Amino acid sequence: EAGVTQSPTHLIKTRGQQATLRCSPISGHTSVYWYQQALGLGLQFLLWYDEGEERNRGNFPPRFSGRQFPNYSSELNVNALELEDSALYLCASSLNEREQFFGPGTRLTVL
Amino acid sequence: GENVEQHPSTLSVQEGDSAVIKCTYSDSASNYFPWYKQELGKRPQLIIDIRSNVGEKKDQRIAVTLNKTAKHFSLHITETQPEDSAVYFCAASPIGGADGLTFGKGTHLIIQP
Repeated sequence: EAGVTQSPTHLIKTRGQQATLRCSPISGHTSVYWYQQALGLGLQFLLWYDEGEERNRGNFPPRFSGRQFPNYSSELNVNALELEDSALYLCASSLNEREQFFGPGTRLTVL
Repeated sequence: GENVEQHPSTLSVQEGDSAVIKCTYSDSASNYFPWYKQELGKRPQLIIDIRSNVGEKKDQRIAVTLNKTAKHFSLHITETQPEDSAVYFCAASPIGGADGLTFGKGTHLIIQP
């Protein structure tokens, strides 16, 4: 069974640009979670999508947004990039509010 | 919202000894407590979890204990091996993580040969 996949592996942007990150959940999982792992700050919850709807979001500004597609894959968009957005962005998938399994992450660097 | 504190930030133990990592949480509504292991450059991997209806859970060399009254939970690793070296994160959430997990800041476990 394939695990959670994310693309791209690395992404380099300049301040003010937009970034789009993608996540494919484990087959059969309907929930996708996004987390930010910045140096020294641990993992912070960003967004939760389930059955195509945004169910909850963490304490992040509205320029962090996303969506979930009918095949349950998900996209995270970060607008008006700031230097402090540089981090590893991890997505996780789960089924029926059970264990969350993480993807390998996308390393976003904002210059 | 939930707040999770994790200690210590770094733990060095001799190979074969035991390691204990402790976490406290603030929200009494939390009832799901997973532990993740993250090796350098790799994704976090779920190693064990516990729900609030049990006080202890064990899986081979790894065990987790939960004290809901005191709002703390701990990870115990016995007979540590070099491959146990990694960063360990505790987390807490209501239900099964449906609202997103709140993580501690991590413990860097170093196994000395």
